[in-house]
Formats: sequence, C-alpha cells, structure tokens
Amino acid sequence: DAKTTQPPSMDCAEGRAANLPCNHSTISGNEYVYWYRQIHSQGPQYIIHGLKNNETNEMASLIITEDRKSSTLILPHATLRDTAVYYCIVRASHGSSNTGKLIFGQGTTLQVKP
Amino acid sequence: DAGVIQSPRHEVTEMGQEVTLRCKPISGHNSLFWYRQTMMRGLELLIYFNNNVPIDDSGMPEDRFSAKMPNASFSTLKIQPSEPRDSAVYFCASRLSGFAETQYFGPGTRLLVL
Repeated sequence: DAKTTQPPSMDCAEGRAANLPCNHSTISGNEYVYWYRQIHSQGPQYIIHGLKNNETNEMASLIITEDRKSSTLILPHATLRDTAVYYCIVRASHGSSNTGKLIFGQGTTLQVKP
Repeated sequence: DAGVIQSPRHEVTEMGQEVTLRCKPISGHNSLFWYRQTMMRGLELLIYFNNNVPIDDSGMPEDRFSAKMPNASFSTLKIQPSEPRDSAVYFCASRLSGFAETQYFGPGTRLLVL
C-alpha cells in the first residue's frame, strides 16, 4: 500500500473550515484514500473515503487532486469536538481479494481553538 | 446498534499473570481486527479474522499473544504471561467485508501490567 505524508499538527479557529492535507505520491490506480480520526481516549472513527472523484458526507468533504497524488480533508465548520488526530490511509480497492488491512501512520493532530 | 463492545475497559495486572481481552463485533459483520496502541509505536494491527478464520497474524508480537474467534459474535485476545511492555490500549474493530474499509472500532481496553 502507498505511503502517506501528513503534517504532524494544525490549528483551526472554531467555526472556520479545517483543511487537512495528505500526500500520497506513490498511490496506485486501484487504491482508495481513507480518512479516520481519533478523538482523545476513544477508538478511531471512519470519516470518508474516495478513489478519484471528490466526495462529501455529513461529516466532511474529500478533495482528491486530478493526478491523485494528494488529497485534502475539509471539515467545513470546525467545532471544539473536532479536536482529534486525523489519519489519511491509502488502501487497495475492496473486493473478494480484499484482506482489510489498514496501516495507520502518525496522522495530523488538529486543535480547534475557541 | 450497540457498536463494537469490548471488555474489560480497564485492566491492571501484575507481570506474569494471564490477561484476556474480549470483543463482541457488530452483528452481521464478518471481519474482526485487533489493534494495539502505544505512544511509541502508534496504532498497530495485531491480527484479523475473516468469517472467524485468522487471516493475518503477522502483527502479533510473540508467542505470548494468542487470539481466537470461536463464533461470529465473540473474540478473545490473550496474553500469557503478561509483561510491563504489554501495557497499551487494545482496540477491537469489525467490518462488513466487501463494503470498503469502513472499520468500526470499540472503545478499547486500557491494560497496565505492573
């Protein structure tokens, strides 16, 4: 699976958009980009995933560049409860041969400030 | 939906004792994962099961660790004998295979080995 690079930490003002970048320059054509987050003292939580098109759900938006070498997770209106470690993970496509293994890096610690 | 259930939530034991961690996956999910998280090593996958069968145990640190999944609704992770370096938070996660890598994590078991 392709390796990802994320900044170790970021700050964001409450109510503003939080834009978390991720580089995955060695991504393969069949690899998806997944985002999880881990709020302090809790288990990781799935946020969103995508292949090449931009995706949006009730939690966030995922913007993937056309060459797929980087992506940005957007939390449109960050709240204090969004303070967490955010993990960007690249994983091969799901299917009958999918073995389900996720490899978590160090992630980005997002601090939302009042 | 009760989510993934783990027990105990906290465990304090002495070196050399046997420790058993328990996990009940989300009903209907057919993949189960055990992770360990420490400050030094981050979040590591120990072992995972598909349809109750262990698929990859390459993350299991040594023979002192063993995991079982006797049925679709229960799994155990056992450490015997325990050592202080086993102190960590152990997470269990489950997934419905074939539906992307949306893994649902439990609250974790905080293990302290004295």
